[in-house]
Amino acid sequence: LAKTTQPISMDSYEGQEVNITCSHNNIATNDYITWYQQFPSQGPRFIIQGYKTKVTNEVASLFIPADRKSSTLSLPRVSLSDTAVYYCLVLGSNSGYALNFGKGTSLLVTP
Amino acid sequence: GAVVSQHPSRVICKSGTSVKIECRSLDFQATTMFWYRQFPKQSLMLMATSNEGSKATYEQGVEKDKFLINHASLTLSTLTVTSAHPEDSSFYICSAGGQGTAGELFFGEGSRLTVL
Repeated sequence: LAKTTQPISMDSYEGQEVNITCSHNNIATNDYITWYQQFPSQGPRFIIQGYKTKVTNEVASLFIPADRKSSTLSLPRVSLSDTAVYYCLVLGSNSGYALNFGKGTSLLVTP
Repeated sequence: GAVVSQHPSRVICKSGTSVKIECRSLDFQATTMFWYRQFPKQSLMLMATSNEGSKATYEQGVEKDKFLINHASLTLSTLTVTSAHPEDSSFYICSAGGQGTAGELFFGEGSRLTVL
């Protein structure tokens, strides 16, 4: 199972761009990189998923280098409501949906 | 996206009683569902993998006789905490794999169990 490593915490001011990097050195060929957001007392919420290069949706962008050993979640212009824990997971059917959540990154956005 | 629903969202019970938590995939069939436990300010810890029509696979250290998992249909998995004790108080979350996606998981809202 691919193990992930993320910073434990990050702080940001409102309106700034936040980049959270995740390391996954032993990612398998069939694995996808998926990011989730979790608020207190709620289940994780899907943010974005990618395999390589760059993926963008209405809430975030995901940058994945060619070797895929890391990925960066980019949140543009964060607001107070983006304060949450962000988890990077490596998921793939061949790895049996690698389900071991790391410690995640606790993002605090302040005015 | 796909929806996974849990019930109840909160439950309080007396020590020694059993509590059942349901996890339903509302708009897709989930052959596999996963159960997690999360203590305050900690990450999600996988408890078991629930496979439709077969026995669940438990992670190391999780008592299968205490945490009974049943996955009788493609849309429902249940977790029963038997003879609950205060140390079982936690936030329990289920998830299911999405059909036709590359391993995307959909999570339930979570169930807060408090054992008095």
